[in-house]
Amino acid sequence: DIQMTQSPSSLSASVGDRVTITCRASQSISTYLNWFQQKPGKAPKLLIYAASRLQSGVPSRFSGGGSGTDFTLTINSLQPEDFATYSCQHSYRSPWTFGQGTKVEIK
Amino acid sequence: EVLLVESGGGLVQTGGSLRLSCTTSGFSFSSYSMHWVRQAPGKGLEFVSSINSNGGGTYYANSVKGRFAISRDNSRNTLYLQMGSLRADDMAVYYCARHSNYEGTYDSWGQGTLVTVSS
Repeated sequence: DIQMTQSPSSLSASVGDRVTITCRASQSISTYLNWFQQKPGKAPKLLIYAASRLQSGVPSRFSGGGSGTDFTLTINSLQPEDFATYSCQHSYRSPWTFGQGTKVEIK
Repeated sequence: EVLLVESGGGLVQTGGSLRLSCTTSGFSFSSYSMHWVRQAPGKGLEFVSSINSNGGGTYYANSVKGRFAISRDNSRNTLYLQMGSLRADDMAVYYCARHSNYEGTYDSWGQGTLVTVSS
């Protein structure tokens, strides 16, 4: 199985900050990389698919990049509703696996 | 509106069985592959099983292979997960998720159902 490793595991940031989360795959996955946001007690929500494509309805302050094994999720001008856990996931081949998650907390 | 609603979770003893259901509406269920994904308390998301649109192809995580069985009833727009020989490490919130060919990943999720395994 392809292993997905995110860093950091958690971070503290303030409203208005720019935040970057990284995700590394154990082998090349081209751009078959997706990002989800999850709030406590809620189901995950798709933010970014195919590494850099913004899901419909997701604010443009979210962006994704990378290819191969290294990927990033950037949130420009962090908003109060963005405090959540973010997980990367590959969809290169079965089984699709997730990173362990990055919790973004209020500083 | 696309809706996925899981049910069937609850408390079960180690070694016991449980069947989860995911009732869907608002889209053409028979056109989509469907997945089960779980999340143990305080842990990350984990793929459990998937089934293609006509039910003819299934896939399982190694951790559940031989113990769980995924199925679907396209006439009832419902996805199932039959779980057996349950262990403590199966305790989790179980989500059903729709696989969108356009995005190439999960574009819709249910609210989840909690499975608690107790000795």
